[in-house]
Amino acid sequence: QQQVKQSPQSLIVQKGGISIINCAYENTAFDYFPWYQQFPGKGPALLIAIRPDVSEKKEGRFTISFNKSAKQFSLHIMDSQPGDSATYFCAASGRVTSGSRLTFGEGTQLTVNP
Amino acid sequence: DTEVTQTPKHLVMGMTNKKSLKCEQHMGHRAMYWYKQKAKKPPELMFVYSYEKLSINESVPSRFSPECPNSSLLNLHLHALQPEDSALYLCASSQISAAGASYNEQFFGPGTRLTVL
Repeated sequence: QQQVKQSPQSLIVQKGGISIINCAYENTAFDYFPWYQQFPGKGPALLIAIRPDVSEKKEGRFTISFNKSAKQFSLHIMDSQPGDSATYFCAASGRVTSGSRLTFGEGTQLTVNP
Repeated sequence: DTEVTQTPKHLVMGMTNKKSLKCEQHMGHRAMYWYKQKAKKPPELMFVYSYEKLSINESVPSRFSPECPNSSLLNLHLHALQPEDSALYLCASSQISAAGASYNEQFFGPGTRLTVL
């Protein structure tokens, strides 16, 4: 019940295209869903996050869509650029009163061709 | 300032060495984390400190010893490591607030690339 399943494992998109990465979870206690972007040799950077009281959140070219009934959420990258080429991890966690754990998906390696 | 710093960036050590990894944040976060990340895999949680006290230990071998000297600093002491411990070690921090009010927004440092020979 702690798993977060992420797909696809790898994704190749042309410059200007839309990149879509999907995640699904089982644990209904999860109520915070962040996406992290990681470049080779760097730490993950928090990209965008959503709470289950909204179905969509947009920040610039990045949008999270959230479907609470299906227990799924996805990241859409509009007008994808070569600089977006990185590994993307979805994650989930529950409300915390102390330091707690993020459950990560397995990651998606995105390549945006020029 | 949303920065978590880690030193050193790279570390090469033999299996009999003792070394330490350091992490620092000045965001006023009271939860700090150590993760281990292997290539092409997500970060794996190792330890969590809440209010400078160890709150989660994910059954990590005793050759890894964490320490939280104050609310801004986190250390990971390494001793008698094995080659399979070679990985990127990440530190992260997050807020802790009143019950039910925190969403575990974790900020990661750049990591220390550890190679055990």
